[in-house]
Amino acid sequence: DTEVTQTPKHLVMGMTNKKSLKCEQHMGHRAMYWYKQKAKKPPELMFVYSYEKLSINESVPSRFSPECPNSSLLNLHLHALQPEDSALYLCASSQDRKAYANTGELFFGEGSRLTVL
Amino acid sequence: EDKVVQSPLSLVVHEGDTVTLNCSYEVTNFRSLLWYKQEKKAPTFLFMLTSSGIEKKSGRLSSILDKKELSSILNITATQTGDSAIYLCAVGSGNTPLVFGKGTRLSVIA
Repeated sequence: DTEVTQTPKHLVMGMTNKKSLKCEQHMGHRAMYWYKQKAKKPPELMFVYSYEKLSINESVPSRFSPECPNSSLLNLHLHALQPEDSALYLCASSQDRKAYANTGELFFGEGSRLTVL
Repeated sequence: EDKVVQSPLSLVVHEGDTVTLNCSYEVTNFRSLLWYKQEKKAPTFLFMLTSSGIEKKSGRLSSILDKKELSSILNITATQTGDSAIYLCAVGSGNTPLVFGKGTRLSVIA
């Protein structure tokens, strides 16, 4: 079992809905990440948090809003999404002190599969 | 721009075959190379390599890094249908977040 827990596992939402994806880890990692993965493609980095501060935003549209309430939790708030945003959203954490330039193992959650209608 | 290239992009083999997957990279200030296996959900960690020429093994899987050739290989011996997955290679440079290759899709048929 992964030590990074993501909820919900599946989410279907309309384009006008507001929903959130949640991620939790209790490994004491201070680097946390959101990735988006489309079918048959590698994970694509969205956001990086280091010590609860946003370190990298890879030019992600503002309809995706990350939040890191404490060192164990990472949220991704979703609003006014488009059908092309349907994907697997992966949360990850690592022991790296420099989250913006991580070199060590990423611990992935099982992902939240999002469908936007 | 940092780049990671995996080959082949896809591969079909029969159970019992041995396969070799390749990962080559162009990064400034190389620090580490990681291999992951991804089935239907999240990638699972296989190996992290930092030193050239030292083989890492786990059961039927093994991997080695060649810093002169800027590459790594992942070997799987006596393949089983459960080895069917996408194998991802990622490189850490200490300058940017991990850079992922596009993956190799391995299908093992009985």
